[in-house]
Amino acid sequence: DAGVIQSPRHEVTEMGQEVTLRCKPISGHDYLFWYRQTMMRGLELLIYFNNNVPIDDSGMPEDRFSAKMPNASFSTLKIQPSEPRDSAVYFCASSLARSQPQHFGDGTRLSIL
Amino acid sequence: DAKTTQPTSMDCAEGRAANLPCNHSTISGNEYVYWYRQIHSQGPQYIIHGLKNNETNEMASLIITEDRKSSTLILPHATLRDTAVYYCIVRVEGDSWGKLQFGAGTQVVVTP
Repeated sequence: DAGVIQSPRHEVTEMGQEVTLRCKPISGHDYLFWYRQTMMRGLELLIYFNNNVPIDDSGMPEDRFSAKMPNASFSTLKIQPSEPRDSAVYFCASSLARSQPQHFGDGTRLSIL
Repeated sequence: DAKTTQPTSMDCAEGRAANLPCNHSTISGNEYVYWYRQIHSQGPQYIIHGLKNNETNEMASLIITEDRKSSTLILPHATLRDTAVYYCIVRVEGDSWGKLQFGAGTQVVVTP
């Protein structure tokens, strides 16, 4: 079975540039989550969707971050403009239902120079 | 959601059972205990979860004390591929569904 697929796996870009991270959840999963992992703060939930609708974005750090889910098989996390402190590994996860275990992708390692 | 306390690190010999403790003394009656692990350069992987009863699946066993203030994850026959950070998380299910809050976890190193 295909798991959660994220792209790109690595992204290096200069400060001020727009960054778009992509996620394809497991087919049939109604919940999609975006996390960020850094050494300082660990793994943090940024936002999650239910049936393509954003439910809780309280973890999104600031207005430079936005997330969309145009359909059940695709989501994006966008940072515009990017800053060096946005450097982190960004994970996408999906679950069949909110009480079911979450399945994570292998992440996008983002470096902002 | 209740906080959890785990040892920072543990070593385990290959082929032996690995017993990973977790303290969650402030757990509420409707909070489940979840275990995830993260192998280097990969996303977190779900292992097992439970409420009151002990649970077992193909990966591990979860032993929860009767007062539910602590639990132990058991990897019955550790392999080198089990080297990872293991996270113990408690969260509410149902209508008051809680987020997964990852702490620092336990770094487990399995040695030959």
